[in-house]
Amino acid sequence: QKEVEQNSGPLSVPEGAIASLNCTYSDRGSQSFFWYRQYSGKSPELIMFIYSNGDKEDGRFTAQLNKASQYVSLLIRDSQPSDSATYLCAGNTGNQFYFGTGTSLTVIP
Amino acid sequence: EAQVTQNPRYLITVTGKKLTVTCSQNMNHEYMSWYRQDPGLGLRQIYYSMNVEVTDKGDVPEGYKVSRKEKRNFPLILESPSPNQTSLYFCASSPQGYSGYTFGSGTRLTVV
Repeated sequence: QKEVEQNSGPLSVPEGAIASLNCTYSDRGSQSFFWYRQYSGKSPELIMFIYSNGDKEDGRFTAQLNKASQYVSLLIRDSQPSDSATYLCAGNTGNQFYFGTGTSLTVIP
Repeated sequence: EAQVTQNPRYLITVTGKKLTVTCSQNMNHEYMSWYRQDPGLGLRQIYYSMNVEVTDKGDVPEGYKVSRKEKRNFPLILESPSPNQTSLYFCASSPQGYSGYTFGSGTRLTVV
């Protein structure tokens, strides 16, 4: 059973701080990893994806992948109240995608 | 506007009454997929499609059918719905699959 595990939180950070979200995955054959943001009552929105070891940056967001440790993380710099949402980590093996249960983030003004 | 459109947004039905949830995308994407989202279980893939007439099972296909007769449409069919299929359903599409999916607005289904 392929699994992605995330700490459900809630994670609270003050405005302007760095938020760090983490997940681990079970299938070493997983190819890419995705971070989605989901506001309450809304659909998931893709933030970014990563498939190579190391860091990938996009604006205030940095995804990190460590395949040896089977660990994926998302850093959000200069956190804003509008970043308050549930963050979903996902991986894929071929065309099959599997999601974690999400980490709830609250950014306190 | 590029989007994935699902209908209906909300649906209450009775056990055993066949229903179809429609999904359409206007981005000419090859890949489409259906998910269900349940508290504590997260998003689980039901079926996916790589192109017209090419579909395959995800993690939780039991009780569901799909078809992909046209590139833009990917309906989800519940032939005999049961209460354990009460859930929030999302359709999603992707140009290549490995680059991530764009999700529709969701369909909240209640089976009584």
